[in-house]
Amino acid sequence: DGGITQSPKYLFRKEGQNVTLSCEQNLNHDAMYWYRQDPGQGLRLIYYSQIVNDFQKGDIAEGYSVSREKKESFPLTVTSAQKNPTAFYLCASSIATQPQHFGDGTRLSIL
Amino acid sequence: AQSVTQLGSHVSVSEGALVLLRCNYSSSVPPYLFWYVQYPNQGLQLLLKYTSAATLVKGINGFEAEFKKSETSFHLTKPSAHMSDAAEYFCAVSETGSARQLTFGSGTQLTVLP
Repeated sequence: DGGITQSPKYLFRKEGQNVTLSCEQNLNHDAMYWYRQDPGQGLRLIYYSQIVNDFQKGDIAEGYSVSREKKESFPLTVTSAQKNPTAFYLCASSIATQPQHFGDGTRLSIL
Repeated sequence: AQSVTQLGSHVSVSEGALVLLRCNYSSSVPPYLFWYVQYPNQGLQLLLKYTSAATLVKGINGFEAEFKKSETSFHLTKPSAHMSDAAEYFCAVSETGSARQLTFGSGTQLTVLP
């Protein structure tokens, strides 16, 4: 079955440490997205990429970085510059005009 | 700029009762509209989408939504709630004629009482 795999499901970060969240899709989708979800705030777009080797900032990109070296992969790095990284992170992908398809998320917590 | 307002962050209904989750949007162009459902610690699943065809859209699990341009609304309904419908529901809007640039509402937590 095709889908989006996010790993790990739970992640813990120490203060001052960078961490990378993995997102892999085998749907052959060209566009990929990263969202942050906080209680009561819905989803907010961090970064998105419409083609390989290209990506754009979303609404809350500060303290985050991404890469898109392969069509299937869109890893998100939460840097030490992100002062409040505790959240649920969701990766999604889409093709053409089809709705976005979501992974099961990674919950990041600070030790 | 587009935006979505979901009225009521928490909604409770009895099992078998009507479910009504409200969504109002603003958009400078004819929008595409979506409803997603999220179960605890999982990603979002698409319930249904409106893409300028029929104004009454039927989705999965017995849900449907009606696009009302005059009211800028896209409310989600289900005639009879089931315990398994308990989840968080998100309305989303896109102005670009695709799903590429989605703006989400803040979500509505649905509780189904026995």
